[in-house]
Amino acid sequence: GAVVSQHPSWVICKSGTSVKIECRSLDFQATTMFWYRQFPKQSLMLMATSNEGSKATYEQGVEKDKFLINHASLTLSTLTVTSAHPEDSSFYICSARNAASDTQYFGPGTRLTVL
Amino acid sequence: AQSVTQLGSHVSVSEGALVLLRCNYSSSVPPYLFWYVQYPNQGLQLLLKYTSAATLVKGINGFEAEFKKSETSFHLTKPSAHMSDAAEYFCAVSEGITSYDKVIFGPGTSLSVIP
Repeated sequence: GAVVSQHPSWVICKSGTSVKIECRSLDFQATTMFWYRQFPKQSLMLMATSNEGSKATYEQGVEKDKFLINHASLTLSTLTVTSAHPEDSSFYICSARNAASDTQYFGPGTRLTVL
Repeated sequence: AQSVTQLGSHVSVSEGALVLLRCNYSSSVPPYLFWYVQYPNQGLQLLLKYTSAATLVKGINGFEAEFKKSETSFHLTKPSAHMSDAAEYFCAVSEGITSYDKVIFGPGTSLSVIP
């Protein structure tokens, strides 16, 4: 079946540094990918919609300059958390839409801890 | 704008008992509706989705959900709970042109299964 991977699965960084998270669709082309953020014991909050070859669409309240999204190919989207702070610590989950099957597949998530 | 509520942040059932997880939505247009399951430290797995083809939707692992427009509900049920069903369950709604445009998740219900 279709698989979406994320790398890394777990990352710890110092406050002020930047962290890049990759989301890959392994066996289908994804023109659209989504980035979600999940706090402990809470639901997923949509951060942005990433469209291949164009700028991402951010949800209200999400800082586009802080959460940089690049969707340079049909199988890869990246989320870069710039100048990370402890409040950015969270579980980040991506998903990729397989338009051919009208199905959305979720990655396993990346746990970011900012010290 | 669409929204999702899930009554009961935590539900406990005995092994073999009926599972009922409640979901109500608000939407200005006929929605797409989903149920996802999340195991600890993992991404989301689609249980089932409603796309207006049939009001009773059967999913994986013995789960099913019924769309009731008059009640704006999409409750998830399973006749007999298994220990392996213990997880977090999320109801979600989309009002997009395609079923995966801007999916909004409910707060989640944690299901515990008692031996």
